[in-house]
Amino acid sequence: GDSVTQMEGPVTLSEEAFLTINCTYTATGYPSLFWYVQYPGEGLQLLLKATKADDKGSNKGFEATYRKETTSFHLEKGSVQVSDSAVYFCALTLNEKLTFGTGTRLTIIP
Amino acid sequence: DGGITQSPKYLFRKEGQNVTLSCEQNLNHDAMYWYRQDPGQGLRLIYYSQIVNDFQKGDIAEGYSVSREKKESFPLTVTSAQKNPTAFYLCATSWAEGETQYFGPGTRLLVL
Repeated sequence: GDSVTQMEGPVTLSEEAFLTINCTYTATGYPSLFWYVQYPGEGLQLLLKATKADDKGSNKGFEATYRKETTSFHLEKGSVQVSDSAVYFCALTLNEKLTFGTGTRLTIIP
Repeated sequence: DGGITQSPKYLFRKEGQNVTLSCEQNLNHDAMYWYRQDPGQGLRLIYYSQIVNDFQKGDIAEGYSVSREKKESFPLTVTSAQKNPTAFYLCATSWAEGETQYFGPGTRLLVL
């Protein structure tokens, strides 16, 4: 079946560091790809998405590019802030089902 | 104020008791979903509904029930048959099945 694999956390960075959270997927077709963010005690917020190969999703300084050749959708940010501390979920949708990775907890230290 | 509301934020269940979690939306979305989140894990689909008066089981439907009598509402009942109900429950909606899903703030269910 379809699946999403995320880099295991937790990830701890200093403020203003460069962030990469790896995400790869396995799917039988051509899924849409998403990153969601979950702040402590809250629901998930859509961070960005890409619907076809080579699309780049971006929002709030975060970016991810849909790479069909490597089946990847890595999340990046050039300079993280303390307020970016959260759990990040990579997900795909295909055949009307949304499949999540297990999440990566990110902590930013001042 | 548009969006998805879930209530209550925290809910306590006694052994053998059924409890109902509320999910309401005013986004005019057709599809609604219930997910369960356990610590350190991703989300697992419990039930979903594409239209009023219709719903389908997800991956972990046992011990849960739903109804969809109105487009705006998709309540989830956690029955006494669910032996491990302690979790964070998230409701989501999308304008159609397969489209981008948007999530509510969640309800944390604890067993006394």
